[in-house]
Amino acid sequence: DVKVTQSSRYLVKRTGEKVFLECVQDMDHENMFWYRQDPGLGLRLIYFSYDVKMKEKGDIPEGYSVSREKKERFSLILESASTNQTSMYLCASRFQGKGEAFFGQGTRLTVV
Amino acid sequence: AQRVTQPEKLLSVFKGAPVELKCNYSYSGSPELFWYVQYSRQRLQLLLRHISRESIKGFTADLNKGETSFHLKKPFAQEEDSAMYYCALRPYSSASKIIFGSGTRLSIRP
Repeated sequence: DVKVTQSSRYLVKRTGEKVFLECVQDMDHENMFWYRQDPGLGLRLIYFSYDVKMKEKGDIPEGYSVSREKKERFSLILESASTNQTSMYLCASRFQGKGEAFFGQGTRLTVV
Repeated sequence: AQRVTQPEKLLSVFKGAPVELKCNYSYSGSPELFWYVQYSRQRLQLLLRHISRESIKGFTADLNKGETSFHLKKPFAQEEDSAMYYCALRPYSSASKIIFGSGTRLSIRP
């Protein structure tokens, strides 16, 4: 059974803080993704990684960066959190070239 | 540009009635298409994919390349079908990227 685990379920951070969201998968998937989920906007792709140390910008990368030093771990970094980054963040992973993505349980981030 | 459009934010139907969740896409090539579902307090999970041509929980979806649509259908809705449904597209030109629509909340009334 594929497991994608996000380190926190809920986070509250202050404006201007540096925030790290961690995601770990245990199925040796090459591809990993970070999305944000907002009502009425669906899932929007922030960044994805197709292999270790490889990354590509998604549709809304501004204000975010990512790190993939190990195959199983994909980190999303908010360099200086702002209130408009309050959202649900979803991590996903899948095998290269095989369609289905498996999702984590989500991290609800509130920036105050 | 690649895009997935789900025109309905909310769809409310009575139990036992037919359900159709609409999905249209824009992509010049042949994409891989999916429906994902998120039940209350659960993680997002795959419901079905067009290449499998299978029925899951009574749901089916047919890819219509002429109309660039991938509507999700079920002949008789059940209360446990209430959830958020997302249509998604993976361009064959990209090994990695998966693009989601804005989602439709399906509410089944008893």
